[in-house]
Amino acid sequence: QLQVQESGPELVKPSETLSLTCTVSGASISSTPSYWGWVRQPPGKGLEWIGSIYYSGPSGPTYYNPSLKRRLAISVETSKNQFSLRLASVTAADTAVYYCAQSDRSCTTTRCYTFRFDPWGQGTLVTVSS
Amino acid sequence: QSALTQPASVSGSPGQSITISCPESSSDVDYHDFVSWYQQHPGKAPQLLIYDVSRRPSGVSDRFSGSKSGNTASLTISGLLAEDEADYYCSSYTGSTTVFGTGTKVTVL
Repeated sequence: QLQVQESGPELVKPSETLSLTCTVSGASISSTPSYWGWVRQPPGKGLEWIGSIYYSGPSGPTYYNPSLKRRLAISVETSKNQFSLRLASVTAADTAVYYCAQSDRSCTTTRCYTFRFDPWGQGTLVTVSS
Repeated sequence: QSALTQPASVSGSPGQSITISCPESSSDVDYHDFVSWYQQHPGKAPQLLIYDVSRRPSGVSDRFSGSKSGNTASLTISGLLAEDEADYYCSSYTGSTTVFGTGTKVTVL
């Protein structure tokens, strides 16, 4: 059974880069083309899609929330069976529980649409503060 | 991209059925054919309940069902149980991004 687990610093200073890793267990991240994604949830608030990556080889496409695109990078590290998130120039508004998840995408024969997420990691609270 | 507007709260008694609505953000294109629904208990990660409007992942109870009418998607919980008390989020597409709903707190009376 596939499981994912987030790891990384719980406290990040303003203007620095937030880096998180998601470790995949129960399956090889490179065995089957798959989507992998990140979602965050500020304390007491709703969910926000951060971005997703499609791994089918060394340079899979990435899909980023336009509001975060300028600061965001998502990548896969197949040797460690992990994928990662890097969010630059963070502010207090980036304080949230960050979730990683296996993802999939709803597609027709001509176009792809929304991402869905299943299963999810337990989440990790990242606080941006000096 | 704004969050999809869901009712803040819905309540029901054990055994009853309740429905949570999720209006589409845009009427221009039928992005709501791919709505997903998630359940989130306090302090826990969300869990996928429904995708593509009405499909259930394996292991999800058939008490949860999804539908769509016009530009509004809906999640119905039948035979309400105490364990169904949680937050529920819809998710859809806005043309450039996946967006979640504002969330609905379900209370079992």
